[in-house]
Amino acid sequence: DAGVIQSPRHEVTEMGQEVTLRCKPISGHNSLFWYRQTMMRGLELLIYFNNNVPIDDSGMPEDRFSAKMPNASFSTLKIQPSEPRDSAVYFCASSPSRLAGDTGELFFGEGSRLTVL
Amino acid sequence: AQSVTQPDIHITVSEGASLELRCNYSYGATPYLFWYVQSPGQGLQLLLKYFSGDTLVQGIKGFEAEFKRSQSSFNLRKPSVHWSDAAEYFCAVGTSGYSTLTFGKGTMLLVSP
Repeated sequence: DAGVIQSPRHEVTEMGQEVTLRCKPISGHNSLFWYRQTMMRGLELLIYFNNNVPIDDSGMPEDRFSAKMPNASFSTLKIQPSEPRDSAVYFCASSPSRLAGDTGELFFGEGSRLTVL
Repeated sequence: AQSVTQPDIHITVSEGASLELRCNYSYGATPYLFWYVQSPGQGLQLLLKYFSGDTLVQGIKGFEAEFKRSQSSFNLRKPSVHWSDAAEYFCAVGTSGYSTLTFGKGTMLLVSP
């Protein structure tokens, strides 16, 4: 069974450009999470979807960030315009349960490393 | 809100030696506790989890962790470390009815020959 698939694995862009990160969750999982990982702040939850509906976006840093989940097998995280401080590794994770704490297991993708010059 | 503290940013252990990584959590009720491992350039993989019952939990790759409510701790242990265990380890806490996990900042494990 395929795991969580993220693309691109690496993205280098210039400040002001639009960045789109993509995620395909594990088939049958109904919860999807976007995390950002930096040295300074560790792993931060950006947004969480359940059954394609955004449930908690309180971690989205500002209006430049947006996320969508048009169907159960695809999600995007968009940054427009990008800034150097957005440089980080962005992880997508999925879970078979609406309540991640019940199963405990988030299945992570390999991440998208974003560098904004 | 819950929180997780991993007091050690880096730990170096000799191959074959025992390992203990510390994790302390803050939460008012019984938490759900997890350890994840991240190898370089990879995503996070679940090592083990605690929900209830036996406070000593066995995981994959020979790891175990013990939940100690009185100390608000969930330390990860391994009796004999292998070079392939070098990675970053994250402790996380979740709660019943809560939809996300809160992660600690991680402990980088280095294994010396």
